[in-house]
Amino acid sequence: GAGVSQSPSNKVTEKGKDVELRCDPISGHTALYWYRQRLGQGLEFLIYFQGNSAPDKSGLPSDRFSAERTGESVSTLTIQRTQQEDSAVYLCASSPRLTGTDTQYFGPGTRLTVL
Amino acid sequence: DQQVKQNSPSLSVQEGRISILNCDYTNSMFDYFLWYKKYPAEGPTFLISISSIKDKNEDGRFTVFLNKSAKHLSLHIVPSQPGDSAVYFCAAGQAGTALIFGKGTTLSVSS
Repeated sequence: GAGVSQSPSNKVTEKGKDVELRCDPISGHTALYWYRQRLGQGLEFLIYFQGNSAPDKSGLPSDRFSAERTGESVSTLTIQRTQQEDSAVYLCASSPRLTGTDTQYFGPGTRLTVL
Repeated sequence: DQQVKQNSPSLSVQEGRISILNCDYTNSMFDYFLWYKKYPAEGPTFLISISSIKDKNEDGRFTVFLNKSAKHLSLHIVPSQPGDSAVYFCAAGQAGTALIFGKGTTLSVSS
């Protein structure tokens, strides 16, 4: 399809395990964002990538979180040694460029449950 | 410290009436504002936006109003329809930065 896709759609893991979440942005979109939404909370910015520039990691909650993006394609968000408070829906979005004025197109999210 | 605030977690409206969703922001550097709509188990979808040089933008049943002096924006939906029932997120940004989202308002439109 032409939209943003994310996998897996659901992930259940045990506390202390590592998880990897994948995002495929819309082709040609140079900007890619990761957010998370915990139960009853709003969208919490985590990290964004803009082309080949250094990513803005200012929203990552701890050093257990990291993300990579290869060029202008797929991105993976890795959470090491998961904790129960990491349980949330992780949303990926992409936009043609990072200007603050471009519409962001969201994927369906990955629901992460840490037992 | 929240830069974008949606102080009403929920709103209930009857079909055909007007829905007004409110959003306040603190950063005067924001120059672009958007509303997103989210259904359960789906990602947010873009609804309508407004730049800081305007005070109103209209698209069909949806109108966004911006009051820069009050750092306040609102989304009006008229007439409201049951299919409008969703979570509405306000977002704000400026060139070169990621959007900041509010916590959302759950709108329920009853028939």
